[in-house]
Amino acid sequence: GESVGLHLPTLSVQEGDNSIINCAYSNSASDYFIWYKQESGKGPQFIIDIRSNMDKRQGQRVTVLLNKTVKHLSLQIAATQPGDSAVYFCAERRIGGGADGLTFGKGTHLIIQP
Amino acid sequence: GAGVSQTPSNKVTEKGKYVELRCDPISGHTALYWYRQSLGQGPEFLIYFQGTGAADDSGLPNDRFFAVRPEGSVSTLKIQRTERGDSAVYLCASSLFPQQTQYFGPGTRLTVL
Repeated sequence: GESVGLHLPTLSVQEGDNSIINCAYSNSASDYFIWYKQESGKGPQFIIDIRSNMDKRQGQRVTVLLNKTVKHLSLQIAATQPGDSAVYFCAERRIGGGADGLTFGKGTHLIIQP
Repeated sequence: GAGVSQTPSNKVTEKGKYVELRCDPISGHTALYWYRQSLGQGPEFLIYFQGTGAADDSGLPNDRFFAVRPEGSVSTLKIQRTERGDSAVYLCASSLFPQQTQYFGPGTRLTVL
């Protein structure tokens, strides 16, 4: 089965509000996690990543939180804008061991309400 | 600079036919990856190249699927005797070195009739 999953298939937020997208993973050997944004008809776009020796990482308007105790990952988007509408995927990878392919979850569709 | 490019953007073929999908990675990127994305799902890993060699092909679903990267740059994914279940978007990604950020192309939408 999947080792990475999402809690909600769709998330609707008001423009200007903060968004929180959650992800659960089950592979304890995974120690690198990435969030991608995918707009309709396009390939996934890298947003932010985090390694397992960290619990928080910030980018421009985005923050990723990692809780290894409960195997939970979240993406926080501040002051959500219409351009943030997309499907968001978390992905994991096991560092080392020759395996470099990413394992993706099903994704959360973020809808921005005006 | 130029990102990952994939051609064609769309490919329609008939069941049983052979298809080739092309990926041009970001210039200088040594690692190249192929994924397949079915409707409503996340991408699924197929194969990964480091240079010219396939370092991990554990995601290829069966022996009808094959990929090459003869000069360590452009890669071609080849599918023989296509089946309707092969219909999906085929995504290519590249990274400067293994274990680094993977940047994706726009994908090729394959439809098998």
